[in-house]
Amino acid sequence: QKEVEQNSGPLSVPEGAIASLNCTYSDRGSQSFFWYRQYSGKSPELIMSIYSNGDKEDGRFTAQLNKASQYVSLLIRDSQPSDSATYLCAVSTNNNDMRFGAGTRLTVKP
Amino acid sequence: EAGVAQSPRYKIIEKRQSVAFWCNPISGHATLYWYQQILGQGPKLLIQFQNNGVVDDSQLPKDRFSAERLKGVDSTLKIQPAKLEDSAVYLCASKRGGDYGYTFGSGTRLTVV
Repeated sequence: QKEVEQNSGPLSVPEGAIASLNCTYSDRGSQSFFWYRQYSGKSPELIMSIYSNGDKEDGRFTAQLNKASQYVSLLIRDSQPSDSATYLCAVSTNNNDMRFGAGTRLTVKP
Repeated sequence: EAGVAQSPRYKIIEKRQSVAFWCNPISGHATLYWYQQILGQGPKLLIQFQNNGVVDDSQLPKDRFSAERLKGVDSTLKIQPAKLEDSAVYLCASKRGGDYGYTFGSGTRLTVV
């Protein structure tokens, strides 16, 4: 079982729609969770972090965490073509490093 | 705040040659990481430094990869000899203390031919 698994892409949504990205993790002791956005040919950029169960909103982005189900998600409302990128889910470990999922490629069509 | 600096941006070498990458983290960031990202995959941790000490190098192929962080600031990652499967982007990241996300550098894209 992979440490961090993301729903297989690619994911395509029309402009203005809600994009939903999902992630599960194997280490029940993980405490911190992150979403990174990676444009093609660029390095990952942190867009959201979440530490407690429930929802965390930042602009058009909402991160959701359910530790009992070992599940993290990212919702992007009013999706824009500029949101087209690969989204990486990352989970912190006891060693203070992060393990990443393989990423979900999102395309927002105008 | 200046970002994480990496060089070179691109490198093409032949298999069995050696190569070195350099990273300068954000000032004051004690923790530095090297990740390998193969095309289509997520970043994979190679080594983690806390100041100039190694915290985790369990996934570093030590027969060919080495890394150091002198004086707890700059870091270099070396591959000797390179193999075709080492073709990837090598990402350096740093973070301040506490449970925060990383800041990544722009990466070095290595092609081994």
